[in-house]
Amino acid sequence: QQQVKQSPQSLIVQKGGIPIINCAYENTAFDYFPWYQQFPGKGPALLIAIRPDVSEKKEGRFTISFNKSAKQFSLHIMDSQPGDSATYFCAASIAGGTSYGKLTFGQGTILTVHP
Amino acid sequence: NAGVTQTPKFRVLKTGQSMTLLCAQDMNHEYMYWYRQDPGMGLRLIHYSVGEGTTAKGEVPDGYNVSRLKKQNFLLGLESAAPSQTSVYFCASSLRAAYADNEQFFGPGTRLTVL
Repeated sequence: QQQVKQSPQSLIVQKGGIPIINCAYENTAFDYFPWYQQFPGKGPALLIAIRPDVSEKKEGRFTISFNKSAKQFSLHIMDSQPGDSATYFCAASIAGGTSYGKLTFGQGTILTVHP
Repeated sequence: NAGVTQTPKFRVLKTGQSMTLLCAQDMNHEYMYWYRQDPGMGLRLIHYSVGEGTTAKGEVPDGYNVSRLKKQNFLLGLESAAPSQTSVYFCASSLRAAYADNEQFFGPGTRLTVL
């Protein structure tokens, strides 16, 4: 049962392009939506996160867009660089309470940025 | 701070053998998690712990056991390894599940192959 669906599975862009990764969720109780970045041979690391009370959050070249009614959120990478080549995971959780911050991850997107 | 460390980094087992994966964190985090990562499936939660002496089942707990005897350590055991348990295992920890503290910090992973 996949509660968070991520697309595309892989993405190739040229340097300077704007890759967009999309995620859709089913559980309306989710209230915390992080994106994790993973380089080969490393563990995932938090990149940026958003709560459903805002529609957009920007940190540097990374932007999350959130559409609560559609139950969708996406990651945009502005002016992408070869160093952004990594696997990106979206995730969702119910912060606090008895959910204990458990994350439900999407399937992952392998991003390749060509020089 | 070393953050989250995992031992061993690589392991090859034969079907039916047992082993224990060790996770240690030096950030005084309350919550700890074990995930497995398989191609095209993202990260899936195996077991988690919300404090010393506590453990709970995640999404895919069958075939695994865990223990958290000390706050800084979280052990994942495979009693009788099966080829289906070939995967990359990640440990993560977080301070608590409130919004601001919900970041999970991941270890570098253990690549396990079961023949």
